[in-house]
Amino acid sequence: GNSVTQMEGPVTLSEEAFLTINCTYTATGYPSLFWYVQYPGEGLQLLLKATKADDKGSNKGFEATYRKETTSFHLEKGSVQVSDSAVYFCALSRTGNQFYFGTGTSLTVIP
Amino acid sequence: GAVVSQHPSRVICKSGTSVKIECRSLDFQATTMFWYRQFPKQSLMLMATSNEGSKATYEQGVEKDKFLINHASLTLSTLTVTSAHPEDSSFYICSAGPRVTNTEAFFGQGTRLTVV
Repeated sequence: GNSVTQMEGPVTLSEEAFLTINCTYTATGYPSLFWYVQYPGEGLQLLLKATKADDKGSNKGFEATYRKETTSFHLEKGSVQVSDSAVYFCALSRTGNQFYFGTGTSLTVIP
Repeated sequence: GAVVSQHPSRVICKSGTSVKIECRSLDFQATTMFWYRQFPKQSLMLMATSNEGSKATYEQGVEKDKFLINHASLTLSTLTVTSAHPEDSSFYICSAGPRVTNTEAFFGQGTRLTVV
């Protein structure tokens, strides 16, 4: 079946620290992989995505590389800001519409 | 990009009443929409797939008589929580996509339902 395992939080970092949120997946076939972000009180926003092995998705300083050999899609950012405080969800989709989400990782960045 | 609008964003209702949540695709037609539920500190779980012009497909464990889904047009799906109870309090979010394969879906803003 399809599933996503995501690093549990909460994660608290100081501003300008390096961020890694681990994500691994199980899927049949070749899914697309996504990171969504949920800011307090808001819905989900697409942060980045990758549609095939070795693709790197990037946006707003965040990056994630689709690693088929390790079935991973870890999220990284070199220098976090207070405004990055949010909940981050790793997800996969095979059809482009139906998604399987990880449990979410809450990130708090302190000044 | 494509926009999905969900309404209301917040609703408080009394136990035993019904609440309707709307999900609209504003600039594309969506033959399929998805409804998710998010429990506190947990991930989003797919509840059902809403199909235009036909019955919704519910995930295992989701009561179809309690969570009524109507997808009457290519731009609107509604989720009605019937006879709501406090345990139905949750964050409900819908998604839709303009194409079938290999693209991301667009999510509504979500609806925070509180049943008192």
